[in-house]
Parts: sequence; structure tokens; C-alpha cells
Amino acid sequence: GENVEQHPSTLSVQEGDSAVIKCTYSDSASNYFPWYKQELGKRPQLIIDIRSNVGEKKDQRIAVTLNKTAKHFSLHITETQPEDSAVYFCAASVINSSASKIIFGSGTRLSIRP
Amino acid sequence: NAGVTQTPKFQVLKTGQSMTLQCAQDMNHEYMSWYRQDPGMGLRLIHYSVGAGITDQGEVPNGYNVSRSTTEDFPLRLLSAAPSQTSVYFCASRRTPGQGGMFFGQGTRLTVV
Repeated sequence: GENVEQHPSTLSVQEGDSAVIKCTYSDSASNYFPWYKQELGKRPQLIIDIRSNVGEKKDQRIAVTLNKTAKHFSLHITETQPEDSAVYFCAASVINSSASKIIFGSGTRLSIRP
Repeated sequence: NAGVTQTPKFQVLKTGQSMTLQCAQDMNHEYMSWYRQDPGMGLRLIHYSVGAGITDQGEVPNGYNVSRSTTEDFPLRLLSAAPSQTSVYFCASRRTPGQGGMFFGQGTRLTVV
């Protein structure tokens, strides 16, 4: 089955700098890659996702890149702000009608230093 | 529109007890799932359902049962609680198996003593 590895487990960056979180997946059939943000004591919330037919997607300060050949995908946050402090999870999935497991990485705790 | 609602929010069980975690969604989502969250291990899939009457196992199904008799409800049953099942449990739903982001409930913090 699918296995998703996420690095680093913790990341501390200066406010205003960029943060990059990287994930790898094992199932070459995976075609959907969402990212979730979980603030302390809250539920995970979807922040951005990408499908395998595109290599990059941006939404304001957040971007995700996908390298299908290497089975890598990354989350990029630019101009980091204190409210970006949270745990971020990547995930991978094969989307079809008969089996649709979304498998998560182990998470990255991002801290923004003032 | 309440989204995904889980009950209870907190629960303490004794080893060997059984209980059911409730999950309901009012968005007419076909896809529902249960995850457990443990420190350093992310979110691990327990069971999922792609529609009423259809369930399947995830990564860590042992010790848990599910059923999906209606589109709205997807309860998770712990058959005989063990300390290893101490965790935060999240229910999540999605419009269809192939569409839309996943919406999570607020979580249930379960402690087994």
C-alpha cells in the first residue's frame, strides 16, 4: 500500500523567511496530493492540493510542487507570518471509485520566530 | 450546516470496555473515514467508506469496527478497549471519493486506563 514520508519533523524559520516541507510517496499510481494545516488543539484543515496532471499550484503565499518521476512533492510558504505556526501534513491518494485511501505523512511542526 | 460532528469530545475508558464514537455529516458526502492521531505518527487511517453500505479497512483497522447504514452517519466501535488505543480520533468526510477536500470533525480525545 501507499507510504508517505515527510521531512523535516520540526522546522523553525524567521518571520518573513520562506519555509519548505518535503514529502515522498511510494505508490506510483497516486494522483492526488493534499496538504493540511493543524493549529494547536484544532482539527486539520485543507490548505492546498494538487493533482498529478500539473507540476505546480500556487495560492497567495503558498505553493505546492510535484515531481511524479521522483515521487516527491513539496509545500512552499513564502513571507512567513506568526499565524503560519502550526503542524502541516502532506497526504497522497489514488482516486478511483472503488478504493480511495488518503494516507498522511507524519507531520511537520513549523514555528515562526519573531 | 454543521459540517462533520463528532461525539463525545472526551472519553475515558477502562481496559476491556467497549464504546462507540459517533460521527455525522450534513453535507451529503459520499466518502467518510476515521483516523487516529498519535504524537509523531501523523494521522493514520482506521476505516473508510465510499458510500452507504460500503466500508473498507485502512492502515490500522485491528480492534475497530465500522458500519455505514446511512449516508450521514459513520460510527466507530471499539470492541474491547486497550491502552494502545489511547489517541485522538478524527472523523472526516469528502463529497465523493474523487472530488473535493476532506472536512474533519473536531476530534475525540480517548484515554484507556
